[in-house]
Amino acid sequence: EVQLLESGGALVQPGRSLRLSCAASGFTFDDYAMHWVRQTPQKGLEWVSGIDWNSDDIGYADSVRGRFTISRDNAKNTLYLQMDGLRAEDTAFYYCATSPSQWLVRAYNFDNWGQGTLVTVSS
Amino acid sequence: EFVLTQSPGTLSLSPGESATLSCRASQSVESSYLAWYQQKPGQSPRLLIYGASTRAPGIPDRFSGSGSGTDFTLTISKLEPEDFAVYYCQHYGSSVWTFGQGTKVDMK
Repeated sequence: EVQLLESGGALVQPGRSLRLSCAASGFTFDDYAMHWVRQTPQKGLEWVSGIDWNSDDIGYADSVRGRFTISRDNAKNTLYLQMDGLRAEDTAFYYCATSPSQWLVRAYNFDNWGQGTLVTVSS
Repeated sequence: EFVLTQSPGTLSLSPGESATLSCRASQSVESSYLAWYQQKPGQSPRLLIYGASTRAPGIPDRFSGSGSGTDFTLTISKLEPEDFAVYYCQHYGSSVWTFGQGTKVDMK
């Protein structure tokens, strides 16, 4: 059974940093591109970032480019999201998700999701 | 800017009725890149349909997807109590993944 377990969410002040982790199990981690997707009641679901199986291809939403960094450790079956320069508008539930492809350019949809971790940016 | 617009915002129906949910793209898209998700309160989204019309593994056949170009539809025939949820469409294009704002199907 595919399991994705996010962690690292917290209450942080604007401008500070946070690192999210997503521990994967139940599947061959490096067979899949991976993503972070966030959700707020106001803006709904928003794709944040994606990474292909060997970290050669990485993409970011315009809203986070230059502030967030996605990475993965295939030996540890773990996906990360380093979030720097956090803003109030980054407050959201953050999900990690798999795509049914190794390659980002063929990662058309999200076939498995974790339960999410809450990031709150507030002073 | 590419936008997916879902309608209606809320659909109030009774169990046993059919639901028709719309997703309109701001420009013509490849059907292969259109997906639908279901999200229940307190849960993460679940993939229902990909490639506009292919059910994901384990999804009951009362869920069906159709459409092409700019107009796509998710149909739920004979609503079951567990189908009352929020439904999102999603598109992939040029290394950007875009979601619609969602349609809530609630019980009348």
